[in-house]
Order: sequence, then C-alpha cells, then structure tokens
Amino acid sequence: QSALTQPRSVSGSPGQSVTISCTGTSSDVGGYNYVSWYQQHPGKAPKLMIYDVSKRPSGVPDRFSGSKSGNTASLTISGLQAEDEADYYCCSYAGSYIFYVFGTGTKVTVL
Amino acid sequence: QVQLQESGPGLVKPSQTLSLTCTVSGGSISSGSYYWSWIRQPAGKGLEWIGRIYTSGSTNYNPSLKSRVTISVDTSKNQFSLKLSSVTAADTAVYYCAREPDMDVWGKGTTVTVSS
Repeated sequence: QSALTQPRSVSGSPGQSVTISCTGTSSDVGGYNYVSWYQQHPGKAPKLMIYDVSKRPSGVPDRFSGSKSGNTASLTISGLQAEDEADYYCCSYAGSYIFYVFGTGTKVTVL
Repeated sequence: QVQLQESGPGLVKPSQTLSLTCTVSGGSISSGSYYWSWIRQPAGKGLEWIGRIYTSGSTNYNPSLKSRVTISVDTSKNQFSLKLSSVTAADTAVYYCAREPDMDVWGKGTTVTVSS
C-alpha cells in the first residue's frame, strides 16, 4: 500500500491562507469519510487537527478546516500564524485489510 | 485527561525482538470504545501505522509488518504492548502509542535504534 501523496512543502505569509492536498485512491481517501490531519512540530508527537474529513477536535482553532473531493482531501489553514509552521500529515482509513495509510507529509513555512 | 507514555529499551540488536509498553493514565484503558495503537516514524520520514488492539484482545496489523508484530493488552496494569521480532536497521524509528479512533491522544514517543 503506497502512502498518500502530499506536496513536499507549502508556504505563506502571516494572515494568508494555505491549502495542503492529500491524494489517494478509491480504496482509501475516495472510499471512506475517515480522513484525519495531524500537525507535528519538530521533536514532538503529532497532534490531531481534523478528523472524519472536516470535524475539528475541541481546542483546535477554526482557522483549520478540512474537505474532500473524490480521491483528494484538503486541509486549509486560514489566517496563517507563526505557530502554524510545522509538518502536516494526512491519514485515511483504507479498509479492513490495510486499515490506515498516512500521507507523505507537508512542511508548512510561514514567511 | 487521558495521557499515554511509551517505555522500553532504546537499543535493540539486529535479529532480536523489540518490546515496548504504553501506559495509559488519567482513565481506564477499558472504558469507552477505543482501540489502542502503535505508530512509528523513522528519522526525517513519515508516519507508519503498525497495528492496534481493542480491550477485548482483538487485534489488527499492518499487512507489511503482520508476520513480525504482536500487540497485547494488560487491563490490570492499564497498559498495552508491542513486540516486533527479527528487527533490522530499517526498524530504527521513533515509536508512538496512540488512542483510536482518530488517534486523538498520542504518547510523546520513544526512540528505538537497531544496532549491534
């Protein structure tokens, strides 16, 4: 099972919006509404930012939003802030044989 | 608030078995409909889901690791464990435990190096 495809890096100035894509197949992203997104700062554990494609856990700013179209999921960060600079990983349920597949990861840089 | 903490040897010799434990605090491992998972991350690389266990003992594993992985649970100690056999340098990584669904709670991770 191949990892989901994410852009290696995206960047934006404070206050701008950035969108990270996560492309899979009909066997994972396209087949289930179980896509989650994780933020990871250097040397730290990942933190859940979005689950079930577009739901935000308590405590996650509403600047973070998720969506999905076909085999591609997206994470949008609006009103970019310095503390948003981190690596971001998507993850999708992929059925009862593979179970979960992660994305390749995207480094978000705040200019 | 539930917290997870990984523990175990930081150095394992090639061909031996890697053993890690995740201790759950702030709540019972048996409460709620949760799976308890292991995920790993080689240095500078992405995340890989290893497998999970339900408190009933039911397990699911990543097919690519299934032949070498065993996950078990000890509800009396509020812990679950990972064993990975026949390790090689490719198994060197930071190992995380997490709570499913959604992997909403993670441990801080523990670094395991496979080297002689």
